[in-house]
Amino acid sequence: DSGVTQTPKHLITATGQRVTLRCSPRSGDLSVYWYQQSLDQGLQFLIQYYNGEERAKGNILERFSAQQFPDLHSELNLSSLELGDSALYFCASSVDPSPGNTIYFGEGSWLTVV
Amino acid sequence: GESVGLHLPTLSVQEGDNSIINCAYSNSASDYFIWYKQESGKGPQFIIDIRSNMDKRQGQRVTVLLNKTVKHLSLQIAATQPGDSAVYFCAENREAGTALIFGKGTTLSVSS
Repeated sequence: DSGVTQTPKHLITATGQRVTLRCSPRSGDLSVYWYQQSLDQGLQFLIQYYNGEERAKGNILERFSAQQFPDLHSELNLSSLELGDSALYFCASSVDPSPGNTIYFGEGSWLTVV
Repeated sequence: GESVGLHLPTLSVQEGDNSIINCAYSNSASDYFIWYKQESGKGPQFIIDIRSNMDKRQGQRVTVLLNKTVKHLSLQIAATQPGDSAVYFCAENREAGTALIFGKGTTLSVSS
């Protein structure tokens, strides 16, 4: 158990809908990352937060947004869902963004868009 | 664009053999590298890391080698066990404030 908690574990929704994925980082970690993993694909970095502020952006679509709250939990909002958004979405956390701080991953949220 | 990649998508070994998984990176400015193991249906699990000022680091049954001259990273697993079967990713953290960049992964299959 990495200490990073993600909910829900599985989610099935229809095209055009909107979903919210939730992440609680490890106790004491201030930095949160979101990654997308499609079938047979590697992990694609979406967005990073540090202590409530957006720190870096990766390949995140405009239909997607995220935030980190004062209690440090984070939410990833996916809207106008398309079939191609079906993927495993991972949240990860670290103490801070400095290289050398281990980044721990949660177990992921499986999203299926039908 | 610059990315971290792996040489082989799959690697099959016999139980007890040593495994070597390779990774090439293109950004010479990267200064921190990590290997992750991902079992089916689970999140990536940290295995071992190495800073660019080192060329070798050992853990329990695992060794990471870094060759900055040719921008190559490898993960050696000694006495591979069936429980080592998983997808292995190398990742780089180029600088503070940037996130990990992952390669596509190598699937390690260990047969008894």
